[in-house]
Amino acid sequence: AQSVTQLDSQVPVFEEAPVELRCNYSSSVSVYLFWYVQYPNQGLQLLLKYLSGSTLVESINGFEAEFNKSQTSFHLRKPSVHISDTAEYFCAVSDSGGGADGLTFGKGTHLIIQP
Amino acid sequence: DAGVTQSPTHLIKTRGQQVTLRCSPISGHKSVSWYQQVLGQGPQFIFQYYEKEERGRGNFPDRFSARQFPNYSSELNVNALLLGDSALYLCASSVYVGSYEQYFGPGTRLTVT
Repeated sequence: AQSVTQLDSQVPVFEEAPVELRCNYSSSVSVYLFWYVQYPNQGLQLLLKYLSGSTLVESINGFEAEFNKSQTSFHLRKPSVHISDTAEYFCAVSDSGGGADGLTFGKGTHLIIQP
Repeated sequence: DAGVTQSPTHLIKTRGQQVTLRCSPISGHKSVSWYQQVLGQGPQFIFQYYEKEERGRGNFPDRFSARQFPNYSSELNVNALLLGDSALYLCASSVYVGSYEQYFGPGTRLTVT
């Protein structure tokens, strides 16, 4: 069985400041890792994913995440946040064996951008 | 192209009733997954269907069932509703099972009173 722990339920940060949202996972098999973002009253949007290759993955809107196998982590970072980044962020994991068992999500981190 | 669509947007039901939620995947996507998101929690996997067959099931009671139609749309049925079934139900589509590019719909908000 897999599990995902998002260590912070809320992260307040000032506009243009850097931010890190933490994610740790546990699994007995190889995994794929994802970050999803959920804006109010909307569904989930895929932000970025790690499947293989480079352990540093980037999104088109300035977020990046680094897969650290030894620490079983996949933290999300952005060097300078904007008001529009206010949302709920979910880390998710899937085993690499075929994907039919769906994604396992963490409880989410609410990113609050203060002007 | 249209994204994943779900209907209805909101629904209020009474304990013991039955409910059917609907999902239309992105054109060309053959796999549909269902998730339950209780307030304040992350989504939990319920089912995955591909080519009209159930390919994966999460840890949910038999009151939950689903099916997929020849046009790849899907329905989620929940019988004998409990207060704890109140949640946002999300549908996600992907090209095939095992494809990790899952695209989520806006969800159906179910309230059980």
